Amino acid sequence: AQSVSQHNHHVILSEAASLELGCNYSYGGTVNLFWYVQYPGQHLQLLLKYFSGDPLVKGIKGFEAEFIKSKFSFNLRKPSVQWSDTAEYFCAVNAENTDKLIFGTGTRLQVFP
Amino acid sequence: DAGITQSPRHKVTETGTPVTLRCHQTENHRYMYWYRQDPGHGLRLIHYSYGVKDTDKGEVSDGYSVSRSKTEDFLLTLESATSSQTSVYFCAISERGKHTEAFFGQGTRLTVV
Repeated sequence: AQSVSQHNHHVILSEAASLELGCNYSYGGTVNLFWYVQYPGQHLQLLLKYFSGDPLVKGIKGFEAEFIKSKFSFNLRKPSVQWSDTAEYFCAVNAENTDKLIFGTGTRLQVFP
Repeated sequence: DAGITQSPRHKVTETGTPVTLRCHQTENHRYMYWYRQDPGHGLRLIHYSYGVKDTDKGEVSDGYSVSRSKTEDFLLTLESATSSQTSVYFCAISERGKHTEAFFGQGTRLTVV
């Protein structure tokens, strides 16, 4: 069965610091990968997605993620965070042989001015 | 925002009573999902549907049932509510399941006392 691990549960940064959030999945076949963001009190919104092609994916608000198949990873990055990036970030995976979309436990990001 | 409406948005109920949450979409998407969100657990898939009357179990389906008699409506029923089912419930929709993103509703906050 597919599963997703996010090892950073809570990250605290100052504005302008660089961000990298880890995401690892367990499934040996083809996967579709997603990062979602949930701002306080709101529903989840898509940041970026990977289906195939260039493993470096660019999303909204300056976020990007790199798919490394050999490491089963899809880490999220942003060169310089802003206070408005304070939110919870979820990695999700959809394996090719299933219709299920499985989420990680999330990473809470706090950015201080 | 995608046309997804969850009702009710907030509910308090007593242990042992049945509860039904409704997800209504106006996008005519094939796939619909129910998740619960709990601190430390992220989003966990309860049930999902890949068409009218076609449903399947997710990661945490015990104590829950679903029905989808129309494309636009996906109902989640707690057969006999327990305190462990206190959570925030999110509905999501997806056009083709595998190769498109999922759009989320605003959530239903359920408290079982």
